Amino acid sequence: ETGVTQTPRHLVMGMTNKKSLKCEQHLGHNAMYWYKQSAKKPLELMFVYNFKEQTENNSVPSRFSPECPNSSHLFLHLHTLQPEDSALYLCASSRGEGNTEAFFGQGTRLTVV
Amino acid sequence: GESVGLHLPTLSVQEGDNSIINCAYSNSASDYFIWYKQESGKGPQFIIDIRSNMDKRQGQRVTVLLNKTVKHLSLQIAATQPGDSAVYFCAESEAGSARQLTFGSGTQLTVLP
Repeated sequence: ETGVTQTPRHLVMGMTNKKSLKCEQHLGHNAMYWYKQSAKKPLELMFVYNFKEQTENNSVPSRFSPECPNSSHLFLHLHTLQPEDSALYLCASSRGEGNTEAFFGQGTRLTVV
Repeated sequence: GESVGLHLPTLSVQEGDNSIINCAYSNSASDYFIWYKQESGKGPQFIIDIRSNMDKRQGQRVTVLLNKTVKHLSLQIAATQPGDSAVYFCAESEAGSARQLTFGSGTQLTVLP
């Protein structure tokens, strides 16, 4: 148990669906991140939030929309995804952007059909 | 562009033997290096880190070695156990911030009985 909880663990959605991924951290951290992990590829940073403010959008398509209502919660809203978006989506948190040790959730395995 | 790579995608070792997982990086400005372990169905878990002003750091059963001359990082696991079977990622950071972590593709370590 890392203190970072992601739901759902698995999600299958059609290309016209709208769904949301949720992440919650119980560590009192101020920075939260979304990563995408595809098979045999390195982790790709998608978004960074620090004190609820988005500080980085790593050229992510607009069909992915993050939301950070407070420092403990992070959402990733999904809309009109493509099959190539199927991947493991990982949430992480750290004490702040200046702290390198990131704690990861278990991820949401997303399949777009 | 800058990249972080791994010498081998898979490594098999006998239980009780020592494991060595290697990683090469190309960014000369990298000043912080981290090893993560990812077990099947779980998110990456922080193992050990090292700063560029050090060449060796030891943890519990793990040692990280850094050779800045050849831009090489290694993770040594002593007395490898079945629970060590996982994918191991190296990551590097230039500014010491989790937001700028660049991950390698990972090495699958399999511990044989």
